[in-house]
Parts: sequence; C-alpha cells; structure tokens
Amino acid sequence: GAGVSQSPSNKVTEKGKDVELRCDPISGHTALYWYRQSLGQGLEFLIYFQGNSAPDKSGLPSDRFSAERTGGSVSTLTIQRTQQEDSAVYLCASAEQFGLHPGYTFGSGTRLTVV
Amino acid sequence: DAKTTQPPSMDCAEGRAANLPCNHSTISGNEYVYWYRQIHSQGPQYIIHGLKNNETNEMASLIITEDRKSSTLILPHATLRDTAVYYCIVRVGGKGGSEKLVFGKGTKLTVNP
Repeated sequence: GAGVSQSPSNKVTEKGKDVELRCDPISGHTALYWYRQSLGQGLEFLIYFQGNSAPDKSGLPSDRFSAERTGGSVSTLTIQRTQQEDSAVYLCASAEQFGLHPGYTFGSGTRLTVV
Repeated sequence: DAKTTQPPSMDCAEGRAANLPCNHSTISGNEYVYWYRQIHSQGPQYIIHGLKNNETNEMASLIITEDRKSSTLILPHATLRDTAVYYCIVRVGGKGGSEKLVFGKGTKLTVNP
C-alpha cells in the first residue's frame, strides 16, 4: 500500500484482557518498528524487526508484551493481561534497510484504552 | 538514550520564522542530524536531515554549526498547521532502517494567530 496501515485505530479493553494490534508496513520495507506514546509523553521504543534477523526486543516493558512479524511483512503486537498503565497510542513504522535517509514512515497508530 | 537536548516548548507568531534549536555536543563524525515532527494524533513525519552543510527543502531549512555541536531548524513562514512537537535526532548515516530510531522529548512548537 501507499503507507503504513494500523488497525484498529481505537481499542477499548477491560483490565486483564489480551489485545492484538496489527501493522501493515509499506511493501518492500524490511525494517519494522513498534513505539508507544503515553499521553503527553515522547515516543518509547518497543521492538524492531529487520529482515530475517532476530528482533531487537530491548524496549518491551514486560513479558506481557510480545510481537511477531509473519513472512517479513505484517506484524502483530500482543499485550497479555492488560493493565491501565498500558493505555497509550501504539505506533508502527517501517523503513528500507539501508539508505542515507532513514525513510521511516509511521502509521497513524492504535489508541489503546484499558478500563 | 537520546543524544540531543531541546527546549520543551516554544511559541511563534503566524507568518514569522520559527527557529528551533537542538544541542548535540557528543555527535560523532559520521552521525547525521535528522528532524521529525509530530502533529497531534498523527505519527511522526520526516522533515529534513544534514551532516555538516546547511540544507533546505520545501518544508524547512537546517543550519548546523561549524563544530556540529548544535543545529537550528528554521520554518521560514510558520503557519497554524506547523503547531507540533519537533524532534531532533542524531544517528549514523547510511544505515537506513537497519537500527532503531531513538526519540527524545522534542520541542512543542505553538504557532499563534
């Protein structure tokens, strides 16, 4: 597609439930990133996929968070047993592997509210 | 950790130039300066980048000091739609998406009518 697509755009869930957030990157982009942005805060790096390499999970805040990227394209971020502090906008970005200009393109995000 | 420091907020009058500073005193010789902005409720958007020469594109100009320890993003004629959080980032060039992009807290620019 023309851009990075994220779904759903909004998600309200009850505390303790599991949620899945989806990201469709730009076709051909080998790098995919997940960030989290809490209200009034900056972007917090969560996880990074690059081609077939092992993902960089160094930003995942707890073992309740996990992500997969199937076939080098679509990615799913899963949050298990959601807590109220998980409420945030979850942003996905994709990029070509190399190039002088990072070429990061961000999606519009999924706004997660845990009640 | 972010390698840059920016003022948390700035104001600018509509139609005037907005000059957003960024300090990156520990920048390495092969690191570029990149600027992104995030308009409310949207994902960050690329603006401009540079190594040591001043750069200009249709969105903005980037002025980098000779010692490369600081830079200024210039929006020549700010409009209300330029109200956003502006992020200054330094990273090695040529790596594209081969490493993560670390964002600091940025500068909240408010353009006033």
